[in-house]
Amino acid sequence: QTVVTQEPSFSVSPGGTVTLTCGLSSGSVSSSYYPSWYQQTPGQAPRTLIYSTNTRSSGVPDRFSGSILGNKAALTITGAQADDESDYYCVLYMGSGISVFGGGTKLTVL
Amino acid sequence: QLQLQESGPGLVKPSETLSLTCTVSGGSISSSSYYWGWIRQPPGKGLEWIGSIYYSGTTYYNPSLKSRVTISVDASKNQFSLKLSSVTAADTAVYYCARLARIVDYFDYWGQGTLVTVSS
Repeated sequence: QTVVTQEPSFSVSPGGTVTLTCGLSSGSVSSSYYPSWYQQTPGQAPRTLIYSTNTRSSGVPDRFSGSILGNKAALTITGAQADDESDYYCVLYMGSGISVFGGGTKLTVL
Repeated sequence: QLQLQESGPGLVKPSETLSLTCTVSGGSISSSSYYWGWIRQPPGKGLEWIGSIYYSGTTYYNPSLKSRVTISVDASKNQFSLKLSSVTAADTAVYYCARLARIVDYFDYWGQGTLVTVSS
């Protein structure tokens, strides 16, 4: 079964830029996987950030951006703020109605 | 504004069947533009897609759970439901329902989630 890979953890300084990635255990991620990104803080439901590789969901600040970098999907946060400290999950659409979540990245802002 | 609300027992005994319902308000479950899905999150762990359903009743399941999962829809009540059979402690999780936009395949609205504990 295909595994969607994410960095388990990452840290960024306030005001800094960080890029989180979303890959496949076998193969490359392209826009045809419709990568989407979600932010989750403890005890809360996920919040949708990015869909279809690089489209920001309503109300999401433009310091969040999505792209394909090499063979992975990527979420870049520019000008990180303290309240960006969260877990971030990507989802890839595998076809035939099947979606797969990555394991998530715990982002620390310090 | 679309809202989704999960409901069901918070405690289920091992080997029994977990049953949850998601009630949709502020929009129609019969829209051709969306699927409706279930996602779960064990305590301290990541998110896992369980399955999705279209208003017509077409279903898609996570292959790792497929043998135990049934998702159904009741358009007259604007609800969809999850049944997970033969549960064990490993099925203890927060269960979320969500709307999945077709074509671009992403979850755009989420319920608040409900904790289901499997224990005798």
